[in-house]
Amino acid sequence: DSGVTQTPKHLITATGQRVTLRCSPRSGDLSVYWYQQSLDQGLQFLIQYYNGEERAKGNILERFSAQQFPDLHSELNLSSLELGDSALYFCASSPLEGQGASGIQYFGAGTRLSVL
Amino acid sequence: GDSVTQMEGPVTLSEEAFLTINCTYTATGYPSLFWYVQYPGEGLQLLLKATKADDKGSNKGFEATYRKETTSFHLEKGSVQVSDSAVYFCALTRGKLIFGQGTELSVKP
Repeated sequence: DSGVTQTPKHLITATGQRVTLRCSPRSGDLSVYWYQQSLDQGLQFLIQYYNGEERAKGNILERFSAQQFPDLHSELNLSSLELGDSALYFCASSPLEGQGASGIQYFGAGTRLSVL
Repeated sequence: GDSVTQMEGPVTLSEEAFLTINCTYTATGYPSLFWYVQYPGEGLQLLLKATKADDKGSNKGFEATYRKETTSFHLEKGSVQVSDSAVYFCALTRGKLIFGQGTELSVKP
């Protein structure tokens, strides 16, 4: 058990809809990262928050947004969903601000999103 | 830009066989290198890492050596077990983690 909790485990929705994925980091970790894992794109970094502030952005679509709350949990909002958004979405946490030499991130089990 | 390339999977081996999963990277300078493992139904876990050239990372019988001259970080294990069946990801960090495509390993009894 990594200590990172993601809910829900599975999400089935329709095109055009909006969903919210939730992540609770390990106790004490200030950084939260979001990744998308799909068969064609592999594992892609989306966005990072550190102590409530956005720190780094990756290949995140404009239809997607995230935030980190004062209690350090994070939410990833996906809107105007398309079939191609179907993927496994991972959250990871670490105590560090940067993804530097340590590179150690603790991953949740993921949320599997199916857009029909 | 920076990138990581892994050998295609899936790889199927018999128990106690020798494992090699190839990983090469493209990056300026000398990034830190990592292997992460994803067991079925779980998130990724750090398996091992190396932070500079010629470093050898090791854990649970797995090893990988940071080879600057060949820009490689191949994962090896002398004798695999059924419990090693998983997807293995090579990654580098340069301000963010960049992952390879992943290699699925299946070990048969």
